[in-house]
Amino acid sequence: EPEVTQTPSHQVTQMGQEVILRCVPISNHLYFYWYRQILGQKVEFLVSFYNNEISEKSEIFDDQFSVERPDGSNFTLKIRSTKLEDSAMYFCASRGDSRSYEQYFGPGTRLTVT
Amino acid sequence: SQQGEEDPQALSIQEGENATMNCSYKTSINNLQWYRQNSGRGLVHLILIRSNEREKHSGRLRVTLDTSKKSSSLLITASRAADTASYFCATEGNQFYFGTGTSLTVIP
Repeated sequence: EPEVTQTPSHQVTQMGQEVILRCVPISNHLYFYWYRQILGQKVEFLVSFYNNEISEKSEIFDDQFSVERPDGSNFTLKIRSTKLEDSAMYFCASRGDSRSYEQYFGPGTRLTVT
Repeated sequence: SQQGEEDPQALSIQEGENATMNCSYKTSINNLQWYRQNSGRGLVHLILIRSNEREKHSGRLRVTLDTSKKSSSLLITASRAADTASYFCATEGNQFYFGTGTSLTVIP
């Protein structure tokens, strides 16, 4: 069964450094998402991406964040200058088309900012 | 905010019992979905109910939706130890909002 994959599974970085989290959505899916989950808290929407552009973003998704689909398979989340409070699990998700509401989640990348 | 809020926050039951989790939300929705998350893992879609539906079944899962009360419930019948996980409702409007989750423990 096709699945969403994410790399790395765990990323440790120093405050102020840039990180890129990578996701490979399911191949024929059209909608892509990033979420984060701070330890013990709820899953928070960051951004949705469709047709090579951001379709929605939350207040969390400020200028420090960017997303890109550099080729036909990868979907990346970049954090330019990490802060301690960026430490969280980051989940990528993809969805087939506008008629299909189910989102398929990757296993997540645990980001630790020290 | 359109965020869903689940209750209870935590639920502990014996294997074989039924588990009921509730979700409330604040604004109009296109659909409401329930997801499951095992500790430290990604979310798995369980079931979706559209705004014009009132009840839906899938295996041991039963979901209800009351749009007048802006609430939904998830019932898991004949629970098993493997059902131990956190359960989240998620509502879809312009963004996708997850609730705070119910942590379910099924004791063998």
